Amino acid sequence: KAGVTQTPRYLIKTRGQQVTLSCSPISGHRSVSWYQQTPGQGLQFLFEYFSETQRNKGNFPGRFSGRQFSNSRSEMNVSTLELGDSALYLCASSAGTGGSEQYFGPGTRLTVT
Amino acid sequence: DQQVKQNSPSLSVQEGRISILNCDYTNSMFDYFLWYKKYPAEGPTFLISISSIKDKNEDGRFTVFLNKSAKHLSLHIVPSQPGDSAVYFCAARTLRTTSGTYKYIFGTGTRLKVLA
Repeated sequence: KAGVTQTPRYLIKTRGQQVTLSCSPISGHRSVSWYQQTPGQGLQFLFEYFSETQRNKGNFPGRFSGRQFSNSRSEMNVSTLELGDSALYLCASSAGTGGSEQYFGPGTRLTVT
Repeated sequence: DQQVKQNSPSLSVQEGRISILNCDYTNSMFDYFLWYKKYPAEGPTFLISISSIKDKNEDGRFTVFLNKSAKHLSLHIVPSQPGDSAVYFCAARTLRTTSGTYKYIFGTGTRLKVLA
């Protein structure tokens, strides 16, 4: 069974731009969660989608948004990028709504200059 | 407000010896705890977990201990191997919310280096 895939793996953007990251969960998994990893902050929860609906949200500004498609693939969008948005963005898929074990993708490394 | 804390950013251990990674939490409402291992350029991979109703769970070389009164979690790796060198994250799961979902809170990670 293929694992969680994320595209692109690396991205460089400038301040003020917007970016869209993509995540394809494990086949059959309906839940996708997004996390931001920065040095010293660990993994911080952004949001979770299940069956195309946002089920949970972390404490991030409205510039961070996401969506999930009918095939469970998910996208995350960050608008008006700031230098502090530079991070590794990880997505995790699970069969259920967070109560199940999460499987992480390799992440997208976003650098904002 | 960091509800899950890993106060040691790094740890070095000799091969064959025991590695002990620690994690403290502040929220009594967590019902499930997990440890993840992360290699560079890869996402975290699940290692071992423990329910809040237990105080110990063992899987091969890995044992997780939970001390609820101290709100403390530890991961023991015995014997440590060079391939165990990675960043280890502890995570805690909130009890099911009114919306019927859970949320995971991660610590900041501890980088373990096992010396050959």
